[in-house]
Amino acid sequence: ELKVEQNPLFLSMQEGKNYTIYCNYSTTSDRLYWYRQDPGKSLESLFVLLSNGAVKQEGRLMASLDTKARLSTLHITAAVHDLSATYFCAVDLPSMYSGGGADGLTFGKGTHLIIQP
Amino acid sequence: DSGVTQTPKHLITATGQRVTLRCSPRSGDLSVYWYQQSLDQGLQFLIQYYNGEERAKGNILERFSAQQFPDLHSELNLSSLELGDSALYFCASSPTWSSYEQYFGPGTRLTVT
Repeated sequence: ELKVEQNPLFLSMQEGKNYTIYCNYSTTSDRLYWYRQDPGKSLESLFVLLSNGAVKQEGRLMASLDTKARLSTLHITAAVHDLSATYFCAVDLPSMYSGGGADGLTFGKGTHLIIQP
Repeated sequence: DSGVTQTPKHLITATGQRVTLRCSPRSGDLSVYWYQQSLDQGLQFLIQYYNGEERAKGNILERFSAQQFPDLHSELNLSSLELGDSALYFCASSPTWSSYEQYFGPGTRLTVT
């Protein structure tokens, strides 16, 4: 059974600071996703990481994937209040059907991030 | 706006009842996924349909069922509802079975009283 663990689960930080959210998963996979969720809202896709060593950046957020360590990180640089949200990582496994494809995602519990002015 | 639509937005019902949640995928997407988000269980994958056929099952209860129709919209049926079924139910879609990114709808908030 695939397990996905995020830490920390809660993070309060000040604007301007840097921090990293970690996502560990239990089974070999080279597909990892990061989503953002605002309170009461849907999930917004942030990053799709599809290979070992993949690194993607968007604004103050940067995500990376190490498939050998089964670890992904989401790094926040010079945080601003607008980045306050819950961040989820999710992993899927290669489809049990003919090659490739995406089955359901297994999500971590989420990191509730509060950025204070 | 992801292009995935879900109705209704909110639903309040009593224990023992049955409800149907509806999802329309993005135009052209063939695959639909259903997820449940609750405080206790977090975000859980329930079931996936691709072009009308069931393709993968997650932690879906026997009281729950789903289907995808020829026009590709999908319905999630929840029966014999219990208090613990109160949750946010999301639908997501992707273009084909080989697509990696899933686009999430706004969700249906179900409250069972």
